[in-house]
Amino acid sequence: QKEVEQDPGPLSVPEGAIVSLNCTYSNSAFQYFMWYRQYSRKGPELLMYTYSSGNKEDGRFTAQVDKSSKYISLFIRDSQPSDSATYLCAMSVGAAGNKLTFGGGTRVLVKP
Amino acid sequence: DAGITQSPRHKVTETGTPVTLRCHQTENHRYMYWYRQDPGHGLRLIHYSYGVKDTDKGEVSDGYSVSRSKTEDFLLTLESATSSQTSVYFCAISETTNYEQYFGPGTRLTVT
Repeated sequence: QKEVEQDPGPLSVPEGAIVSLNCTYSNSAFQYFMWYRQYSRKGPELLMYTYSSGNKEDGRFTAQVDKSSKYISLFIRDSQPSDSATYLCAMSVGAAGNKLTFGGGTRVLVKP
Repeated sequence: DAGITQSPRHKVTETGTPVTLRCHQTENHRYMYWYRQDPGHGLRLIHYSYGVKDTDKGEVSDGYSVSRSKTEDFLLTLESATSSQTSVYFCAISETTNYEQYFGPGTRLTVT
């Protein structure tokens, strides 16, 4: 079993809908949780991060962490065709310089 | 791509030949990482470096070696390439004061 599980999708939604993404994990030592966005044939770029449990909002994006359930989520409000990409969750035990463990990624397609 | 270049960007090689991939950064970041990305597996850490001449193994290090003789360069070598090493390879960098990893554009390697 993988340490971090993520549904590969694809997840297809109409423009303007809310996109809901999630990951589950098994290692209770994970403290730092991140969401990366990756466009086709590009490197991943950091979207959101959260330390420990709780919610964090940044514009149209909301990240949630529930450490008791070992479950993290990313919500994208008012989705746009430009949000079509693969979204990867990542986690680490420590902060700077620490190794990241990634989920397999969920491909999202926002249709105009 | 945060001052990170990878070379070559594409390479086709034959089984059994040695291959070296180069990652070059202009950000003077301390940490550098090599990942491979395969369908269904997300990104998996191969090796990482926490300083010049300081490296350590990641999750999937068998068949790979690395070297870092200068802050700006991190080399990944496949001593004898195998078809299972066909993948997209990403380099990433991070700084001591920041958990965020910045990714390069990737190298697409095909071993025939």
